[in-house]
This record gives sequence, C-alpha cells and structure tokens, in this order.
Amino acid sequence: GAGVSQSPSNKVTEKGKDVELRCDPISGHTALYWYRQSLGQGLEFLIYFQGNSAPDKSGLPSDRFSAERTGGSVSTLTIQRTQQEDSAVYLCASSLAGQDRTSWYEQFFGPGTRLTVL
Amino acid sequence: SQKIEQNSEALNIQEGKTATLTCNYTNYSPAYLQWYRQDPGRGPVFLLLIRENEKEKRKERLKVTFDTTLKQSLFHITASQPADSATYLCAIHNTGRRALTFGSGTRLQVQP
Repeated sequence: GAGVSQSPSNKVTEKGKDVELRCDPISGHTALYWYRQSLGQGLEFLIYFQGNSAPDKSGLPSDRFSAERTGGSVSTLTIQRTQQEDSAVYLCASSLAGQDRTSWYEQFFGPGTRLTVL
Repeated sequence: SQKIEQNSEALNIQEGKTATLTCNYTNYSPAYLQWYRQDPGRGPVFLLLIRENEKEKRKERLKVTFDTTLKQSLFHITASQPADSATYLCAIHNTGRRALTFGSGTRLQVQP
C-alpha cells in the first residue's frame, strides 16, 4: 500500500520568503508528526497531531512555524520569513492509534522535504 | 539536562560479524524505546520497539536490550551483511508523550 508522501521533495527559497510543506499520511493513521533533521544531526520533534488537533506543539522553534491538518489527513507545515538556519530536511511521520497501544508508537516516515534557504 | 547519546563515530565491521550499537540516555523515563534504520536521502524505517519492563527483544537477526538501571539500550545485528550498512537511530518515548526523541544515530558500515 501507499506510504507517507511528502511534497515537494526539494525546495530552494530565498531568505524572508514563506514556504509550505505538505504531508500525506498513510490512510487511516490518525496520528501525524513533523520532525526536522539538520545535516549530521538526529531528528528534532516539531509538532504532533491527533486527528485535526495538535496536543503537542512544543517543538516548534518560533512563531514563524505553524502547521495545520485538515480532514484528519493531509497536513501542511508553514514557515514564514524563512531564515538560513531553517535549512534542513523536514520529515513527516504517521502512526495508528488502535487498540494495541504498541501500534501507536511505530511511526512510518515519509522521504522528507529538503529545504534550502539562500 | 536530557540527553540521548549514540556513538557518533562510524562502526566498521566485517561481514558475518555481530554489530553492537549503544544508546545511552540521561534524565528520561522512557516508557518505550525504539530503533530505526535510516538510509541516505530517506526517512527512518522502524525496526524494533522494547517496553520499559522488557529486558530483551528479538526479530530475525536483530536483538535489542533495555537496561533502565544503566539507562542504556544495546542493538545487535548478528551475521551482518553489507546490506545492513546504514545509520541506526535510537528513539525514546518519554512517559506521557507521543512524540519521539531521537539520538543522532550511529553509521554502520559492513565490509564484504
């Protein structure tokens, strides 16, 4: 079946511009996560959605970052007034929230969007 | 402060040997600990999950141990193959949180 997809795969933008990154989770997965990965670094948590609400947005680094999720499916991460330090790979993941609690925790990742801010 | 530490140096081993990767954490109380594999240019792929009350978990050639006293997890790949070459990430579910906190990963290179 289809996995998590993200678009675009690459985005080059100029400092100060706004960007939107899109994530299509696996159908039926109610939990959705955004992470970012800088060169040679581990993944850094940004925000978690359960359905359309975001009970944990503690990882958003500044108010320039926002995200929404509609219809319990597609999510968009928006970065306003991009800065060079925003350059990273932005990864989206989804997971089930079934009766087996273990299923909540296995996360399925997309291929990521590589963002370069010039 | 909270930290998850994995050996940042690459691990180079010969094909057929057992690879052992280490994950140490401080100031976390993980309910679950997971291991993921990441290949260049791709997202991480889930390998194994171990609960705080489990000592060991196995899946085919993979074995994970979890010592909450030492605050350490070990990840073993037996009979390693060149196809096992990748970066391996340790990730923690801290109690009460759904999001994962990742270590920076250890790159494994298996030589034929």
